Amino acid sequence: DVKVTQSSRYLVKRTGEKVFLECVQDMDHENMFWYRQDPGLGLRLIYFSYDVKMKEKGDIPEGYSVSREKKERFSLILESASTNQTSMYLCASSFSGTESYSNQPQHFGDGTRLSIL
Amino acid sequence: GQNIDQPTEMTATEGAIVQINCTYQTSGFNGLFWYQQHAGEAPTFLSYNVLDGLEEKGRFSSFLSRSKGYSYLLLKELQMKDSASYLCAVVDSNYQLIWGAGTKLIIKP
Repeated sequence: DVKVTQSSRYLVKRTGEKVFLECVQDMDHENMFWYRQDPGLGLRLIYFSYDVKMKEKGDIPEGYSVSREKKERFSLILESASTNQTSMYLCASSFSGTESYSNQPQHFGDGTRLSIL
Repeated sequence: GQNIDQPTEMTATEGAIVQINCTYQTSGFNGLFWYQQHAGEAPTFLSYNVLDGLEEKGRFSSFLSRSKGYSYLLLKELQMKDSASYLCAVVDSNYQLIWGAGTKLIIKP
């Protein structure tokens, strides 16, 4: 079974801090994603990566950056945390597929519930 | 704009059948996913439809009508463990994945 592991289930940080969320997958997937999940909204894509050292902005990249130095690891960085970044953060990974990564099922981690005080 | 509509919450009885609908208005269509998400857990893949019709997988079935912009997830012989949120997601013409807000399904004994 694919395993996507996020470093923390719960995290509390202060406004202005630099926050690192780590994600590791063990299935040699090419693609990795960071989403945030808020009540009443669909999953919103922050960034994704289709290869090592490659990254693409999603729908809501402002205030975030990412790093993918190794294939199995994808990090999300909140450069200067703000209260509106309090949310559930989900990491996912998938194979590339023949048409597009979007036609491949994504495998998710259990999420990090981040509170910014 | 792009839009995915799902009911916010549904309630059903253990042993019964429930149908969760998803309607979409997107720029093109390249497939539709259903995921299950138990509270506090990761979403898990249930089904993928790209052609019209019904796909059956055990107690769960997923239906797609591209002309109507409509899909449903059918859950039979409901069990308490089926209490979860069910997420619908559509792949648009640019191969972007558009997510619905999810339907919370509550199963009562």
